[in-house]
Amino acid sequence: NAGVTQTPKFQVLKTGQSMTLLCAQDMNHEYMSWYRQDPGMGLRLIHYSVGAGITDQGEVPNGYNVSRSTTEDFPLRLLSAAPSQTSVYFCASSPWDANEKLFFGSGTQLSVL
Amino acid sequence: AQTVTQSQPEMSVQEAETVTLSCTYDTSENNYYLFWYKQPPSRQMILVIRQEAYKQQNATENRFSVNFQKAAKSFSLKISDSQLGDTAMYFCAFMKIQGAQKLVFGQGTRLTINP
Repeated sequence: NAGVTQTPKFQVLKTGQSMTLLCAQDMNHEYMSWYRQDPGMGLRLIHYSVGAGITDQGEVPNGYNVSRSTTEDFPLRLLSAAPSQTSVYFCASSPWDANEKLFFGSGTQLSVL
Repeated sequence: AQTVTQSQPEMSVQEAETVTLSCTYDTSENNYYLFWYKQPPSRQMILVIRQEAYKQQNATENRFSVNFQKAAKSFSLKISDSQLGDTAMYFCAFMKIQGAQKLVFGQGTRLTINP
């Protein structure tokens, strides 16, 4: 049972490049979400999904797109990377009937130069 | 909107001592969850303890316990008999019970356990 898998673990981009951060879970969880973690701040919610085909914005959605075509996958897209998007990104999942039981991925360290 | 505040950016104690991390929050909700997460240098987010607001009894997990004061909107974490492996960032977080999985985190407290 792999849990929540994020790829890549590290990535360096140039300003203006596009990239997709991948998140996959094998627990058949309905709820998935993306957070970013900046120094001196806690994690902040970017986007979330309550099931396949359903997504919504969190606290800091600007500059990011998401889609949820399957229960297992919830990719996060940066269409035109900016230095302000340098951060650590975490994906999390939980079942709909126990949404307080979150499983976190190991994070992606992204640097935008 | 909910907010979570951790007023202690850094703390340091000797091994085997007891340490208390503070957390206050603001919400108009009556039912919700509160969490303490540990983030060691490995970056992994590890659940330490979870409290349901509708339960008056404070949650405990081995050496970890909370002091939940609902009226004061306070949720402190006590670590007893601290160990070197407790060295980490600790985050307090809030989530409404109903609705999607949407955590609101505090700024974090960096805890160092000295030998």
